[in-house]
Amino acid sequence: AQKVTQAQTEISVVEKEDVTLDCVYETRDTTYYLFWYKQPPSGELVFLIRRNSFDEQNEISGRYSWNFQKSTSSFNFTITASQVVDSAVYFCAPFTGTASKLTFGTGTRLQVTL
Amino acid sequence: NAGVTQTPKFQVLKTGQSMTLQCAQDMNHEYMSWYRQDPGMGLRLIHYSVGAGITDQGEVPNGYNVSRSTTEDFPLRLLSAAPSQTSVYFCASSQSGTEGSPLHFGNGTRLTVT
Repeated sequence: AQKVTQAQTEISVVEKEDVTLDCVYETRDTTYYLFWYKQPPSGELVFLIRRNSFDEQNEISGRYSWNFQKSTSSFNFTITASQVVDSAVYFCAPFTGTASKLTFGTGTRLQVTL
Repeated sequence: NAGVTQTPKFQVLKTGQSMTLQCAQDMNHEYMSWYRQDPGMGLRLIHYSVGAGITDQGEVPNGYNVSRSTTEDFPLRLLSAAPSQTSVYFCASSQSGTEGSPLHFGNGTRLTVT
């Protein structure tokens, strides 16, 4: 069974600060995928990024960057120069094809204030 | 391009009543799933389907039924509603149930059982 730990329940930052959201996962599968989703106050779920377990190259997309370390089973997400519009709940979620199940963490609520 | 459409948006039921939450997707996706979201619990998988005619249980299937007679539709039936089923329900679809395709989510159904 997969397990996801997002130890940070809630984070508050001031606009323009950098913030890192932590994610630690457990899986017995050797091939798997990792996702981050965002849920803004309006309630919809928005796909942010997918990584597969073979690709440990870290990625930067605008103000977002992701740090995947298979050795420590971590897939952390950093927002650089945070903005009020980044305020949302962020979910980390591993997926294994053998089980066809996406398992969500409990989420980290990010509050960005002026 | 409608994506994933869920109806209704809101519903109030009395204990013991039954109802069906509708979910339809127009992207010809093979994989569909239902999640419930409760405060502090993240999203938990109820049932999923890897194709028409094929369904399987997720993490919290008790009290719910599903069927997948067409590729497009994946209704969720509450057989005898209980207050513990008060939650926000999300339907999601993706191209494949094995390749880690990103899930596309509907906008959710907020259900209250009194």
